[in-house]
Amino acid sequence: ETGVTQSPTHLIKTRGQQVTLRCSSQSGHNTVSWYQQALGQGPQFIFQYYREEENGRGNFPPRFSGLQFPNYSSELNVNALELDDSALYLCASSPVPNSGNTIYFGEGSWLTVV
Amino acid sequence: AQKVTQAQTEISVVEKEDVTLDCVYETRDTTYYLFWYKQPPSGELVFLIRRNSFDEQNEISGRYSWNFQKSTSSFNFTITASQVVDSAVYFCALSEASGGGADGLTFGKGTHLIIQP
Repeated sequence: ETGVTQSPTHLIKTRGQQVTLRCSSQSGHNTVSWYQQALGQGPQFIFQYYREEENGRGNFPPRFSGLQFPNYSSELNVNALELDDSALYLCASSPVPNSGNTIYFGEGSWLTVV
Repeated sequence: AQKVTQAQTEISVVEKEDVTLDCVYETRDTTYYLFWYKQPPSGELVFLIRRNSFDEQNEISGRYSWNFQKSTSSFNFTITASQVVDSAVYFCALSEASGGGADGLTFGKGTHLIIQP
């Protein structure tokens, strides 16, 4: 039990639509990051938020965006969905954005784009 | 650029056998952190261990042990007397200190471990 919860667990969207995925971090964890994991691959870093501001981003286009709220909840928004966006999306939290911190993951949201 | 390689895509062993999962990493930083995570079919990544680059001591936790060798840039994971519940995908990951934690973790592609009864 990591204390990181995500919703929804599964969803299906049509190409071109928009999707919002939600995450609730561990209490006291001011850092949240999102990862995309395609089938058979390792997770890939999308971006990280610290105190409600994006402070790091991986190689993902601007149609991937996020929000972080003061109550330890956060969102990942993806616009103009493409078939390749089908993946498991993982939310992770840690106390502060320190490279040595252990990062705790939720169970993920499985997104299928048809 | 940082990189993590897990050359073993899938390993299948019979219960009670010992098994080693390999992890080789690349980084230009002198300070970095290595992690192992376990991913059962539910999808959640379960943290197993964190090691910083200055601590080369091997670690043992029950049936799990880790061998960190900077000379070969490897951080291998051994399960002794494997059990069916160990079946999962295991990921090795790297975080560079120069990123200040804002670059996220770089993961390998994972090793699917199957323990047969």
